[in-house]
Amino acid sequence: DAGVIQSPRHEVTEMGQEVTLRCKPISGHDYLFWYRQTMMRGLELLIYFNNNVPIDDSGMPEDRFSAKMPNASFSTLKIQPSEPRDSAVYFCASSLVPTGTGNTIYFGEGSWLTVV
Amino acid sequence: AQTVTQSQPEMSVQEAETVTLSCTYDTSESDYYLFWYKQPPSRQMILVIRQEAYKQQNATENRFSVNFQKAAKSFSLKISDSQLGDAAMYFCAYRRGGTGNQFYFGTGTSLTVIP
Repeated sequence: DAGVIQSPRHEVTEMGQEVTLRCKPISGHDYLFWYRQTMMRGLELLIYFNNNVPIDDSGMPEDRFSAKMPNASFSTLKIQPSEPRDSAVYFCASSLVPTGTGNTIYFGEGSWLTVV
Repeated sequence: AQTVTQSQPEMSVQEAETVTLSCTYDTSESDYYLFWYKQPPSRQMILVIRQEAYKQQNATENRFSVNFQKAAKSFSLKISDSQLGDAAMYFCAYRRGGTGNQFYFGTGTSLTVIP
């Protein structure tokens, strides 16, 4: 089975531009997570969905960030307008319901964002 | 909220030797899961090993094993016969059982393997 698929893998954009990151979770997974990783703050949970519904978005930095999950196989994280401090690796991850063995979170390869 | 603490920002080990990475967590739950993830320079997050809290037996995956001390809320990772490819950042993670639960990650331990 294919893993979590993210695109783009790398993006360099200018400050003020809109950035859209995309994610395809593992088929059948109920949960989808967006994480951001920086040297200063480590791994931060931005938002997560359960059955396409946002459950906790308290980690979203500010109104410039938005995430959607229109269906079970696709999610986007959008930054508008982007700022240099948004430069980070953004991870999408998915999992089943955390009961029994269905508890592991599987990560995509990450989207490396650089805002200049 | 649950917290996961990794008190060793950096560790080093000689090739072929054994190293133990520490992790403690805070929870009042009885049903939960613990994980170790490896992140090499490529930044890919790779599951190393996982432990169900209800299992008393420590999980083992080849050269990787854990020492799960439930009463002490401790979950250390032991890497035996260390290899150069083990050099990476290692993250400890916690997840409560049941629905609607996110993962909590520690701050990571950077492991260097010395040839």
